[in-house]
Amino acid sequence: DAGVTQSPTHLIKTRGQQVTLRCSPKSGHDTVSWYQQALGQGPQFIFQYYEEEERQRGNFPDRFSGHQYPNYSSELNVNALLLGDSALYLCASSYTQGMSETQYFGPGTRLLVL
Amino acid sequence: AQSVSQHNHHVILSEAASLELGCNYSYGGTVNLFWYVQYPGQHLQLLLKYFSGDPLVKGIKGFEAEFIKSKFSFNLRKPSVQWSDTAEYFCAVNTLNTGFQKLVFGTGTRLLVSP
Repeated sequence: DAGVTQSPTHLIKTRGQQVTLRCSPKSGHDTVSWYQQALGQGPQFIFQYYEEEERQRGNFPDRFSGHQYPNYSSELNVNALLLGDSALYLCASSYTQGMSETQYFGPGTRLLVL
Repeated sequence: AQSVSQHNHHVILSEAASLELGCNYSYGGTVNLFWYVQYPGQHLQLLLKYFSGDPLVKGIKGFEAEFIKSKFSFNLRKPSVQWSDTAEYFCAVNTLNTGFQKLVFGTGTRLLVSP
């Protein structure tokens, strides 16, 4: 049973560029959440996708956008990259079954913005 | 806004010592509580979780945590740590007011266990 997978593992970009990160959820899961983990910090919620729609968003600017496909995989797009966007980006998947869900995390994509 | 505090940023223990990592959250309503662990070079893994029922929950690798509602706390414990427990530990809370699963994490505690 494959867990949550993410690609690429590492990425180097320059300021102003755009980046797309990808996530495949754990088998049987239909919900994908994205988190940003800066160095020395805990993960911070960016947004969550369910049924191909963004259903909740954290305190991140519109430069951060996403998409979910019919097979439940998801993408995180960041436009106009800033140095401060350098972080580990984590994808987590879960199965929407009411109020109590457990999120399972992928290995993350480490983004460095120069 | 909800927040999670982990007061111990770095903890150093010798093998066989007992461990307790503190976690406090700020939210007065119903919560789901989690501890995740990140071993060196590995991804975040679920250690244990509390949804309802018995406030003392047991997780993998001998870890347990106790939910004390009156203290807004969910401290992680292990009676005897091993070198392999060296990792970063994150407490996370999901508040159930929105109906959606949004985890709020603490800043993490780095545990170093010396052999």
